[in-house]
Amino acid sequence: EPEVTQTPSHQVTQMGQEVILRCVPISNHLYFYWYRQILGQKVEFLVSFYNNEISEKSEIFDDQFSVERPDGSNFTLKIRSTKLEDSAMYFCASSTRIGLAGLQETQYFGPGTRLLVL
Amino acid sequence: DAKTTQPPSMDCAEGRAANLPCNHSTISGNEYVYWYRQIHSQGPQYIIHGLKNNETNEMASLIITEDRKSSTLILPHATLRDTAVYYCIVRVSGKAAGNKLTFGGGTRVLVKP
Repeated sequence: EPEVTQTPSHQVTQMGQEVILRCVPISNHLYFYWYRQILGQKVEFLVSFYNNEISEKSEIFDDQFSVERPDGSNFTLKIRSTKLEDSAMYFCASSTRIGLAGLQETQYFGPGTRLLVL
Repeated sequence: DAKTTQPPSMDCAEGRAANLPCNHSTISGNEYVYWYRQIHSQGPQYIIHGLKNNETNEMASLIITEDRKSSTLILPHATLRDTAVYYCIVRVSGKAAGNKLTFGGGTRVLVKP
């Protein structure tokens, strides 16, 4: 069964460093998302991406964050200058489409990248 | 998207059915009910979704009341591997609605032997 994959599974970085989290969405999916979950807290939406542009972003997704689809398979989240409070699990998700109700809008999540900022 | 209310936790005996309630009294006509679960900090896993009819798949059944103000996720024969946090999410369908999922606190389900 196709699945979303993410690399690395764990990342430790120093405060102020740049990190890039990578995701390979399900191959025929067109909509891509990043969520994060700080330890012990809720899963929070960061950004959605379609047709090579951001379609929606949350207040968390400030200028320190950027997303890119550099080729036909990868979807990346970059944090330019990490802060201690960026420590969290980061989940990538993808869906086939929106605007057509039901299963095709369902988002499928990857296993996550655990980011620890020291 | 409408707000949902779920009990914070519940226990279930292995092999028995687990019935997970969700209230969504402000749901509107074009909002779907989605269920996801998260096993110990893994990525959320899609379970099932529905609009107004009851739905069943290989994982679970979803019962939505006639007025759509509440729903119940049923795991027919709970196993230890079903121990997870279960999220009920109400979401508008359609392009104009945006497509983010808003997660609440969910119900922490512990399946006991």
